[in-house]
Amino acid sequence: AQSVTQPDIHITVSEGASLELRCNYSYGATPYLFWYVQSPGQGLQLLLKYFSGDTLVQGIKGFEAEFKRSQSSFNLRKPSVHWSDAAEYFCAVGPPSGTYKYIFGTGTRLKVLA
Amino acid sequence: GAVVSQHPSRVICKSGTSVKIECRSLDFQATTMFWYRQFPKQSLMLMATSNEGSKATYEQGVEKDKFLINHASLTLSTLTVTSAHPEDSSFYICSARDFGGRGDTQYFGPGTRLTVL
Repeated sequence: AQSVTQPDIHITVSEGASLELRCNYSYGATPYLFWYVQSPGQGLQLLLKYFSGDTLVQGIKGFEAEFKRSQSSFNLRKPSVHWSDAAEYFCAVGPPSGTYKYIFGTGTRLKVLA
Repeated sequence: GAVVSQHPSRVICKSGTSVKIECRSLDFQATTMFWYRQFPKQSLMLMATSNEGSKATYEQGVEKDKFLINHASLTLSTLTVTSAHPEDSSFYICSARDFGGRGDTQYFGPGTRLTVL
C-alpha cells in the first residue's frame, strides 16, 4: 500500500540549532516528493520539491531535503532554526502521472525554544 | 510564485443553510483543483478532485450531494456545503495543480474555517 510516514509527531529544538525532519514513503515507483509548511490557521506553503536529478534539493527559507532512493526517504533539514520556523510540516508524495493525487504524512509539529 | 486564494477565510452559519467556498488560481490556469478537509491537529483528508468542465471525482465516503463542487473555469472551483450541520464544521483547504513551467505541483489556498451552529 502507498503511504507516507513522518515518525516524529512533535519536535522541539532551540533557536539556532540544526533541524532534521524525517519522511519515509512506500510507493510503487519513484514518486514526486514534496515538503509543505503550515502555520496555525493557514494553508500549506511549498518549501521544496523533488522530481528527478540532483538528490539534494534546495528550498525556500533556508531548507533543504535529500532524496535517498535506497532508504525511500526524503528528510528535510535546516542548519540553523529561527523562531519563525515553528509550524507544522507535512511531507507528501505524488504520482508522476495519472490522478496527480498526493498522499500526505501525518505531519510533524515543530516547536522552537528561544 | 503560484498563488491560490480562497474566499471566505471564515464563515459561520446556522444549521441547515448552505455555504459556498471559492478557490481561485491567481497567476496560472488550473484544469485540476483539489478539495481537502483538515480536522484539528490532523493531516489533510482529500475530499474530491475538481476537473474543469467535467464532474468532480469524490473520494470514498464523501457525499457528493452534500459537498457540491463546480469547476466552471480554468481559475475557479467552488465547494458548496449543502444543508450544513455542526459535524461539517472544519477547516477546508483547496489546492490547484500547476503543471506549467514550475513543474507538476499543487499549490494551496489559505483555507476556510467553517463553523456551523
